Amino acid sequence: QKEVEQDPGPLSVPEGAIVSLNCTYSNSAFQYFMWYRQYSRKGPELLMYTYSSGNKEDGRFTAQVDKSSKYISLFIRDSQPSDSATYLCAMSARSGAGSYQLTFGKGTKLSVIP
Amino acid sequence: KAGVTQTPRYLIKTRGQQVTLSCSPISGHRSVSWYQQTPGQGLQFLFEYFSETQRNKGNFPGRFSGRQFSNSRSEMNVSTLELGDSALYLCASSFPGGTEAFFGQGTRLTVV
Repeated sequence: QKEVEQDPGPLSVPEGAIVSLNCTYSNSAFQYFMWYRQYSRKGPELLMYTYSSGNKEDGRFTAQVDKSSKYISLFIRDSQPSDSATYLCAMSARSGAGSYQLTFGKGTKLSVIP
Repeated sequence: KAGVTQTPRYLIKTRGQQVTLSCSPISGHRSVSWYQQTPGQGLQFLFEYFSETQRNKGNFPGRFSGRQFSNSRSEMNVSTLELGDSALYLCASSFPGGTEAFFGQGTRLTVV
């Protein structure tokens, strides 16, 4: 079983739809949860960062973490064609050396159709 | 504020050669991590450097190495290149003790 599972999609939605992206994980040591957006031929861009269970909102984006179920989600409201990208979940646990190594999901490719 | 800068953006190398990639972190960031991204495996952690010391290492062969300089700039080296090393190599930087990592645009390496 992989540490982080993410449905690769592709996911295609009409403009204005609510998008739900999800990841599950198996490592209870994960403490920090992130969502990155990656456009084609670009590096990942940090979208959301959460530490505790619960919801965090930033504009049209809401990140949700449920540590008891080992499940995280990213919701995009009023989706726009410019949201078309690959969305990567990432998680980290503090290593013995004091660093935070990120473990990524494979990414979900999203297309928002005008 | 300048982001993470990686050079070069694209590289084509022949099997058996070696390659060096460069990363300049965001000003004030002292932790630099390297990741390999391929369609099949996704993003995989290579290693992390902090204050010129390798602090963490992923599950990659010894052909992959790196270093960090006193100004926090980092380089990674891949020796005896194999076709399977073709990938997007990404560098990320963080504040000391920070958990938010900011990525550069990556270096796309093609081994022929």
